[in-house]
Amino acid sequence: AQSVTQLGSHVSVSEGALVLLRCNYSSSVPPYLFWYVQYPNQGLQLLLKYTSAATLVKGINGFEAEFKKSETSFHLTKPSAHMSDAAEYFCAVSGGYGGSQGNLIFGKGTKLSVKP
Amino acid sequence: DTAVSQTPKYLVTQMGNDKSIKCEQNLGHDTMYWYKQDSKKFLKIMFSYNNKELIINETVPNRFSPKSPDKAHLNLHINSLELGDSAVYFCASSHRETGELFFGEGSRLTVL
Repeated sequence: AQSVTQLGSHVSVSEGALVLLRCNYSSSVPPYLFWYVQYPNQGLQLLLKYTSAATLVKGINGFEAEFKKSETSFHLTKPSAHMSDAAEYFCAVSGGYGGSQGNLIFGKGTKLSVKP
Repeated sequence: DTAVSQTPKYLVTQMGNDKSIKCEQNLGHDTMYWYKQDSKKFLKIMFSYNNKELIINETVPNRFSPKSPDKAHLNLHINSLELGDSAVYFCASSHRETGELFFGEGSRLTVL
C-alpha cells in the first residue's frame, strides 16, 4: 500500500529565503509522485510530478523536487520565497488502483507562510 | 474556459436533507473523481469513474451516490445529510495513463 508523510504541518520563511517542504513516501511499486499547491478557497494545482524519468524535477513558479529512492523522499524546494508562495502544499503518491495512476494518496499538507 | 467546473460552489443545508453536486470536465479525460477535504485540509478519495464505470469506491457511507451520465460528467448525490458531511468536495479528472489530476474549485458543504 502507498502512503505519504509530510513533515511539518506549518513552515514559515522570510521572503527571499530558501523554501524546503519535506515529503517521504512508502510504495510497494515504483511510485509516481506529485506536489500540488492550494491557494485559499481554490482547488489544487499541479506544481510538478515525478514519473520515473529524471530524478530532479522542475515545476512551475520556480519550484523543484528531487526523487531520492534510497531515502524514499521527494522534498520540494525553491531557492527564494516570494509572498505569493504562501499557500498549502500537498505531496501525493499514485495509488495505482486498478491500473489507473489517478488515484492519488495525499499527505496531510504543509502550510507555507512567507514573512515580509 | 474552465477545465473542471463544479456547481454549486457553496451549499448550506439542514441535517437530514438531500443535496447534489454536479461536475463537468472539458479536457477529454476518461477518468473522473470525487475527493473530500475535511476541516483539517486532509484530502481523501471517495470515488473514481472511468468511462462511466465505477472503478474506485472507498469506504464511503451508502448515503453518497455518484452518477456518471457520460465521461465528461460526474455528479454526487448525498442523502440524509449529517453534520460530519460538512467539508469541501472536489471533483477532478485525469488521463488514465499520466495520472495528473485536474481539480475543480471545490464545493463547500455546510450541514447545520
